Order: sequence, then C-alpha cells, then structure tokens
Amino acid sequence: DQQVKQNSPSLSVQEGRISILNCDYTNSMFDYFLWYKKYPAEGPTFLISISSIKDKNEDGRFTVFLNKSAKHLSLHIVPSQPGDSAVYFCAASGNSGAGSYQLTFGKGTKLSVIP
Amino acid sequence: NAGVTQTPKFQVLKTGQSMTLQCAQDMNHNSMYWYRQDPGMGLRLIYYSASEGTTDKGEVPNGYNVSRLNKREFSLRLESAAPSQTSVYFCASIWGGVRETQYFGPGTRLLVL
Repeated sequence: DQQVKQNSPSLSVQEGRISILNCDYTNSMFDYFLWYKKYPAEGPTFLISISSIKDKNEDGRFTVFLNKSAKHLSLHIVPSQPGDSAVYFCAASGNSGAGSYQLTFGKGTKLSVIP
Repeated sequence: NAGVTQTPKFQVLKTGQSMTLQCAQDMNHNSMYWYRQDPGMGLRLIYYSASEGTTDKGEVPNGYNVSRLNKREFSLRLESAAPSQTSVYFCASIWGGVRETQYFGPGTRLLVL
C-alpha cells in the first residue's frame, strides 16, 4: 500500500503562472517531508523540506504547505519558469526506528512549464 | 569535489549473469543508499548503510546484496540478474539522517534481457 501518494502523474502550466503539486500521505508516523526535483538522465536533487511542527516553508519561488489534519502537502512554484520542467518527487520520513533512516517516495509528478 | 559517482552508466546483462554496481562519495558522508526507479513507480529503497560497517534492507531487497566497503564506497550486487531488475539505479548519501539533504548520483541504467 502506497504511503506517499502523488495522484497527478503530470501537470502543464504556462510560464509565469503558479504551479501547484500535491502530495498525500497515510502514515501518521511521518513527521518530515521533502521535495526532490529530477531532470532526465540525472539524479534527483533536493528542493525544499518541511517539519511537521510547521505548516509552511518558503525558499525563493518555492513554498511548501503542510496540512497535518488532512495528511496533505503541496509545493507551490511562483512564478513558474521553463527551467522548472522536471519530475517532482514528494518524500517523507518518520521519527523512530527504521523510519528515521529511510525516505518513502511518491511516484512523482512531471511538470511541464510552457513558454 | 565530484559528489556521488556511479559506475557503470549503462549496462546490458543476460538473465542469470551477475554484476556489481559501484558507488562512491567524496563528501565524508556517513549514510549511503541504493534506490531503483521504475516507470510510474517512483524511487524505491533497496538497501541502505546508516554508517560504515552496517547495512539494512529497504523496501525491495530481494535479489540484491550490498557491501559498505569503507566510508566512501557502497556497492550493489546482482548475483543472478532477472528481467524484473531492469531499472535505473541511484546511489545516494547523507552526512547524518534523512532529514538532511540527500545527494544522489547520476544513476546506472540496467537492462536485463
């Protein structure tokens, strides 16, 4: 059973507009969440993270929102740029046992920013 | 500072053949990881090494073995390759725990015929 779900396999957005990528999780033990970005033929790179003690974290054009009660997080990119076109992975980790050493990834959302 | 390097970049194997995927990091990181990425499946953890001298199974360890050769190197071995192991394999490392930035290598594309 998938513990981290990214239900939209793909998303297309016009350049300059906002991109919103969504992620849902089912495991209540998850308390730290990360977004990774991946270009074709490259390894993923870290983008932004958020702890469960916060509901928002911002880094330049990227903002992650966390709704613990809904077990939902979202990544906002404003304004979107063509260079943001990539696959975005949501990941989560727990705070105890094996969960604190492992990340559980979603399946990814492919973002296409149209010039 | 090369970061995380992986060899080979691409490999074709026949069913039943064996091979070792190599990974090295030059960032003095303590923890190292092996993932596989399949279309529509995201990244799944195969094995990880939280520190030199330790290894643990991840979500999909069957058919694989690992060796943490030293602090820098973490290899993944397929003893008898199967078509189901066709995938892109990523190595990653972190200085401490997973709440820190995980650095990924460029990947090894493996095709098992």
